[in-house]
Amino acid sequence: DTGVSQNPRHKITKRGQNVTFRCDPISEHNRLYWYRQTLGQGPEFLTYFQNEAQLEKSRLLSDRFSAERPKGSFSTLEIQRTEQGDSAMYLCASSLAPGRNQPQHFGDGTRLSIL
Amino acid sequence: AQSVSQHNHHVILSEAASLELGCNYSYGGTVNLFWYVQYPGQHLQLLLKYFSGDPLVKGIKGFEAEFIKSKFSFNLRKPSVQWSDTAEYFCAVNRDDKIIFGKGTRLHILP
Repeated sequence: DTGVSQNPRHKITKRGQNVTFRCDPISEHNRLYWYRQTLGQGPEFLTYFQNEAQLEKSRLLSDRFSAERPKGSFSTLEIQRTEQGDSAMYLCASSLAPGRNQPQHFGDGTRLSIL
Repeated sequence: AQSVSQHNHHVILSEAASLELGCNYSYGGTVNLFWYVQYPGQHLQLLLKYFSGDPLVKGIKGFEAEFIKSKFSFNLRKPSVQWSDTAEYFCAVNRDDKIIFGKGTRLHILP
């Protein structure tokens, strides 16, 4: 399967700890997106990259959140000093640019639970 | 506020019933519209998309959607549902290169 891959699938951690998630997009896709989904809601946009450049960040992405895509391939999303409200499913998606006319392909997500 | 609204949060139908899930968006100008589906335990999958042209769009698994610009709507339909259609369905708009999702409709099909 050459779809979008996310690791880990589940992460349980104590409040105040740092966590890092990884996303491997479909290999030829130069756009990579991060979304967050909480219970009863649709996914909400967090940030996206074109190649290694981070082009936009949502206001949802507080200064405790940082995302990187250093070589334009995989991406990491780090949350520092986690809080209860960070518990959610974190989704990664990728597409070809231009993004407007290209559907995004989603990974299975990383479910984060904060104790 | 700009948004995507899905009319029903939870729909229960019997097999062979007809389905229509409502979706309205509040963005002006040119929009690209999508329906995504998430089957239990699986990732989001594209069901169908509208970019331009024929406002009646056909997708996978017998689903179709109609874009009505004057009503800012993009309703999803299927003439006869199956038990395997049990899933969560998300309407979405591509706006400024990011996807804005509705809250989703959880569809449960009774065998």
